Amino acid sequence: DAGITQSPRHKVTETGTPVTLRCHQTENHRYMYWYRQDPGHGLRLIHYSYGVKDTDKGEVSDGYSVSRSKTEDFLLTLESATSSQTSVYFCATAGTGGFEAFFGQGTRLTVV
Amino acid sequence: GESVGLHLPTLSVQEGDNSIINCAYSNSASDYFIWYKQESGKGPQFIIDIRSNMDKRQGQRVTVLLNKTVKHLSLQIAATQPGDSAVYFCAENTGDYKLSFGAGTTVTVRA
Repeated sequence: DAGITQSPRHKVTETGTPVTLRCHQTENHRYMYWYRQDPGHGLRLIHYSYGVKDTDKGEVSDGYSVSRSKTEDFLLTLESATSSQTSVYFCATAGTGGFEAFFGQGTRLTVV
Repeated sequence: GESVGLHLPTLSVQEGDNSIINCAYSNSASDYFIWYKQESGKGPQFIIDIRSNMDKRQGQRVTVLLNKTVKHLSLQIAATQPGDSAVYFCAENTGDYKLSFGAGTTVTVRA
């Protein structure tokens, strides 16, 4: 898994509460991504980062924010969780040598 | 990428037969494509990639074919094994190191 650790692996939270998911990498990769995976939709990009403090929105960014203060850490925050954000979240990284992205094991988030 | 036309959401294959998984991509400017395999409870894993200046690329038991004229990508798996049962995704580089994924094909290998 190219040294990618996601935490927590599972979380159940209540509607309206803030949630932060963490992605930690040991590969010194420049690019980091957050995807969500839902049945019938494949993987959809939420936000990505192309360097420390450099981030941009993906196709499903509403309701999410990210921060990257160090090369190795990329945080995804749901400011006020909603049931539509129940999903499996994957972090991925990519180096500057190619476009291939390496994925973490995923975080299953349930918003009740 | 999106999966239309020849894409099948599920594929059942007899062990030992060859598998063909299809994908249609959406952006004619995409210059790089990847096939990923995702086993249950795990993150996607890289299988093989191809750049837009190529038509075919072979790996170990896998071959990817790219037809830019019709924006079609396929993954062929030779002598399919039980361990090949998984969801397979095609992904295209839409620019600036971002990958766009198709909906995926679930492959089930019959013994």
